[in-house]
Amino acid sequence: KQEVTQIPAALSVPEGENLVLNCSFTDSAIYNLQWFRQDPGKGLTSLLLIQSSQREQTSGRLNASLDKSSGRSTLYIAASQPGDSATYLCAPGLGGSQGNLIFGKGTKLSVKP
Amino acid sequence: NAGVTQTPKFQVLKTGQSMTLQCAQDMNHEYMSWYRQDPGMGLRLIHYSVGAGITDQGEVPNGYNVSRSTTEDFPLRLLSAAPSQTSVYFCASSYSGQREAFFGQGTRLTVV
Repeated sequence: KQEVTQIPAALSVPEGENLVLNCSFTDSAIYNLQWFRQDPGKGLTSLLLIQSSQREQTSGRLNASLDKSSGRSTLYIAASQPGDSATYLCAPGLGGSQGNLIFGKGTKLSVKP
Repeated sequence: NAGVTQTPKFQVLKTGQSMTLQCAQDMNHEYMSWYRQDPGMGLRLIHYSVGAGITDQGEVPNGYNVSRSTTEDFPLRLLSAAPSQTSVYFCASSYSGQREAFFGQGTRLTVV
């Protein structure tokens, strides 16, 4: 059974810092991996999708990497801003093209002005 | 483009009542799924569908029914609500298993 762990569970940083969120998963037979952002009381917003054949994806100040063989992904946020405060969720997609995601518990990020 | 729309946003049920959570998407996505989110736990898959007329169980299907008569809609039915079903429910859709998943804003359900 796929298990997903996100470290740290919570992170508080001053504005402007670069930071790294970590995600590990136990079964490397994944189709893809998505990083989401969730604001309090809101739904999930997709940030980046990495296919299993890719090593990384970039969008603006965000960069996600994937090392499928070691079961790891990282989300790098450059020059953090207070508006980045949210919970970040990592979700590997199961093999078999079903599109089902297995979620970690998330990293709650707080960026202080 | 509305994306994924869930109704209602909030609901309070009494134990034993039944209800249907609605989910609709306007992106012509084949894949749709329901997750529940509980404090201290990651989102867990309840049921999913890979196309109209095709549904299957996820990790925590007990107490829930689904059907998929159209591409656009994927309702989730609670047959006899229990306090353990108090949760936030999210519907998601994607074009295929290899594409980006889009989530609705969630339905916060309380069973008393």
